[in-house]
Amino acid sequence: AQRVTQPEKLLSVFKGAPVELKCNYSYSGSPELFWYVQYSRQRLQLLLRHISRESIKGFTADLNKGETSFHLKKPFAQEEDSAMYYCALSPGNTGKLIFGQGTTLQVKP
Amino acid sequence: GAGVSQSPRYKVAKRGQDVALRCDPISGHVSLFWYQQALGQGPEFLTYFQNEAQLDKSGLPSDRFFAERPEGSVSTLKIQRTQQEDSAVYLCASSIENRGTEAFFGQGTRLTVV
Repeated sequence: AQRVTQPEKLLSVFKGAPVELKCNYSYSGSPELFWYVQYSRQRLQLLLRHISRESIKGFTADLNKGETSFHLKKPFAQEEDSAMYYCALSPGNTGKLIFGQGTTLQVKP
Repeated sequence: GAGVSQSPRYKVAKRGQDVALRCDPISGHVSLFWYQQALGQGPEFLTYFQNEAQLDKSGLPSDRFFAERPEGSVSTLKIQRTQQEDSAVYLCASSIENRGTEAFFGQGTRLTVV
């Protein structure tokens, strides 16, 4: 079965603290994984994808095939990082996305 | 406009009414996707078009749901005889091709069935 699990519905941290948003996936093939973000009153947008191994807005995510995880990390959270974060898996060659349930990140001043 | 545009933004329908939701993808984008997002959940895949061809409709929840993209650009998602469980945000996304490319999302249409 193809599935994405984000175990935390809400993660609340103080500004400057490290952040780790967890994502585990279930997929038998070679996965393509993404993190999408939705800021308040804005549309869903791509944050980063595992294939490009980039750091966006200080966030990184490493694909761990052994643990089937793709956790999102940032060493020092900023208030503007407060948003809903979705981990997503793209199976096959169509580009369709299977999303997790999302984690709300709340960064307190 | 440069982004994916969806209309209407909000729709209230009486149970049993038919609705049509429109998506204008980014010009030149080959792939178009529809997702359904229930309250507190992540988006769930409904259907996918490559140009005018509907290549995957495995996520459509019932035969009351129908999608089309006749000229390979604008797409319409139609829901017949709406039920309360159809209440959700319907998201449209487009991408320039398929695998590995960024999907650009619209603002969504919030459908409430009363």
